[in-house]
Amino acid sequence: DIVMTQSPDSLAVSLGERATINCKSSQSVLYSSNDKNYLAWYQQKPGQPPKLLIYWASIRESGVPDRFSGSGSGTDFTLTISSLQTEDVAVYYCQQYYSTPGTFGQGTKLGFK
Amino acid sequence: QVQLQESGPGLVKPSQTLSLTCTVSGGSISSGGYYWSWIRQHPGKGLEWIGYIYYSGSTYYNPSLKSRVTISVDTSKNQFSLKLSSVTAADTAVYYCARAHYRDMVRGVVGWFDPWGQGTLVTVSS
Repeated sequence: DIVMTQSPDSLAVSLGERATINCKSSQSVLYSSNDKNYLAWYQQKPGQPPKLLIYWASIRESGVPDRFSGSGSGTDFTLTISSLQTEDVAVYYCQQYYSTPGTFGQGTKLGFK
Repeated sequence: QVQLQESGPGLVKPSQTLSLTCTVSGGSISSGGYYWSWIRQHPGKGLEWIGYIYYSGSTYYNPSLKSRVTISVDTSKNQFSLKLSSVTAADTAVYYCARAHYRDMVRGVVGWFDPWGQGTLVTVSS
C-alpha cells in the first residue's frame, strides 16, 4: 500500500495568516501517461464527514473558497490556506488514488494560535 | 444535489456480521459514472477505504478486508449495502458511505469521494 504521511500533525495559525499542510507519499502518485497527480484533499470538522476540497492535486472543488489551494507533484504535496478564517478550523486529510487500496494520510489538526 | 444516508444497527456482537445500508437521494445510482463506496474511521483516527460497487454490481474491495466484506446494490431502492463478517472490537468505527468519482481502469482504484453520508458509529461489543 502507498503510505501517506502528513506534516505537521497539528498546526496553530493566527486569523488571517497563511496555513501550510504537507503530504508525502511513499511512492510517486504521478501517472506519466496523463501527467496527473492522483491526490485529493479533504476537510473534516468535528462530528461531520470529510468534505472534498481538491482533487487531481490542484483542482478546487466547486464551491470551495479560493483561499484553499493545492500544489505539488510526484511524492510531495501541499495544501495552502492563504488567509485563515474561523470556519477553517478542522482536520485536513490527503488521499492518494493512484493505486489500490486508496489510502489517506493520518490527518493534520489546524487550529488558532 | 445528491445526498447519502447510512442506516443500520449501532451495536454488533463479536463474531457476528455488521450490516449497513446507504440510501441515495437526489440522484440515481443507475445513472452510472460513479462508484458507490464504504469508508470507515476508527475513533479519533484516520480513514480506511473498505470497497466500492458500481450500479452493474461489479465490486472491488480493500485486500485487507476482502475476505470479510460484501457490498451489494439494490437499484430499485437506490441503495447499496455493506456486510462485514466475523467482527471484532477492531471493527468499531464510524462507517461512511460516499460517492467515488473516476475509476482507473488499469489499476482498479477509484478516485476522490464526494459527497459523503453523515456516518454511523458501529460499536462491536458483547
